[in-house]
Amino acid sequence: NAGVTQTPKFRILKIGQSMTLQCAQDMNHNYMYWYRQDPGMGLKLIYYSVGAGITDKGEVPNGYNVSRSTTEDFPLRLELAAPSQTSVYFCASSPFWGGSGNTIYFGEGSWLTVV
Amino acid sequence: GIQVEQSPPDLILQEGANSTLRCNFSDSVNNLQWFHQNPWGQLINLFYIPSGTKQNGRLSATTVATERYSLLYISSSQTTDSGVYFCAVEYNFNKFYFGSGTKLNVKP
Repeated sequence: NAGVTQTPKFRILKIGQSMTLQCAQDMNHNYMYWYRQDPGMGLKLIYYSVGAGITDKGEVPNGYNVSRSTTEDFPLRLELAAPSQTSVYFCASSPFWGGSGNTIYFGEGSWLTVV
Repeated sequence: GIQVEQSPPDLILQEGANSTLRCNFSDSVNNLQWFHQNPWGQLINLFYIPSGTKQNGRLSATTVATERYSLLYISSSQTTDSGVYFCAVEYNFNKFYFGSGTKLNVKP
């Protein structure tokens, strides 16, 4: 059981470039999330999705876009990368609210540097 | 939004010592979880604990929802306990908000 899988694990971008961080989960979870973690800080919610076709902004959505065409996949798009987007990005998923404990499961993270 | 505050921000322990980490939150929440982030960045779920007390080996957690805080106890600490401990609260249905963490360093 793979859980939550993120790719790529490491990436260096130049200012102004764009890229997509991929995220897939095989647990049939309705809810998926993207967080960023800056050095020495906690995780900040970028975007989340409650199911295929439904997404909403979190705490820090500026500079990012998401889509959710399937239950399994939740890609994060960075447009016009800026140095302030240098961070570690975590994708996560959880089952439908009210389920068995609603534990949130994380991928292993994607380290992104913008130079 | 909700505020989640953790204390202390940093903690250094000698192996074998006990510790208590605290998480305060500013509003009623549906859910609270504790995570351990190991030195490689991996986030591991420790407890799902919206209220009450749970124990898992040397770790235990207590949440007093009416007073808006949770405590994580680590007993007989080991070097493998080092890392950052986060609490995360579920606010407004499946939106999880994280505190800034407690960085623990257990010395041999």
